Amino acid sequence: AQKITQTQPGMFVQEKEAVTLDCTYDTSDQSYGLFWYKQPSSGEMIFLIYQGSYDEQNATEGRYSLNFQKARKSANLVISASQLGDSAMYFCAMREPSGVSSGSARQLTFGSGTQLTVLP
Amino acid sequence: NAGVTQTPKFRVLKTGQSMTLLCAQDMNHEYMYWYRQDPGMGLRLIHYSVGEGTTAKGEVPDGYNVSRLKKQNFLLGLESAAPSQTSVYFCASSRTQAGGFTDTQYFGPGTRLTVL
Repeated sequence: AQKITQTQPGMFVQEKEAVTLDCTYDTSDQSYGLFWYKQPSSGEMIFLIYQGSYDEQNATEGRYSLNFQKARKSANLVISASQLGDSAMYFCAMREPSGVSSGSARQLTFGSGTQLTVLP
Repeated sequence: NAGVTQTPKFRVLKTGQSMTLLCAQDMNHEYMYWYRQDPGMGLRLIHYSVGEGTTAKGEVPDGYNVSRLKKQNFLLGLESAAPSQTSVYFCASSRTQAGGFTDTQYFGPGTRLTVL
């Protein structure tokens, strides 16, 4: 079963409007972290926002906010006041505790991404 | 402050050739990672390292080897390249944070590798 599911391969939004990118996850752990990354056409991966499973408040970073619904296992990214420069691929990722060893890296598991296009 | 850098940015190999990708970070991070990204997919972990002199396998390690002789460098080797290894390779690093999940991974710009 996929651990991270992003059901929207592509999204369009009008400039200055808000957009929500969906992410659902699957884990049996109580402690985990959720991340969103942006990948513009230039290819680099840019960290946007983080939400911990025990955080009671939704994370916010400037125009980015994370709509965290733990019971539904969803961690949607909300971008307010979209800008043309927001056009990019967006990846949701999860870090879980690893049961292999205490020295393990708690790897990130990525979704397949959502391509966001902001229209002028 | 360069962050995470990768060398080279592009490379074309013939089947059976070998090569090494270099990742360097100047943030004094303990953890380093190598991922590959294929079209229509997210990143998948190849190998990782939790400190100098240590390496471990990730989700898709076959056909790759790694070494972490210095804390700031993490090398990814392909001994005998295959067309299935055509991909974009990303290196990342993060600091340790005991018991926490907030140690963000910072990524390099990627290396686009084509194996003919």
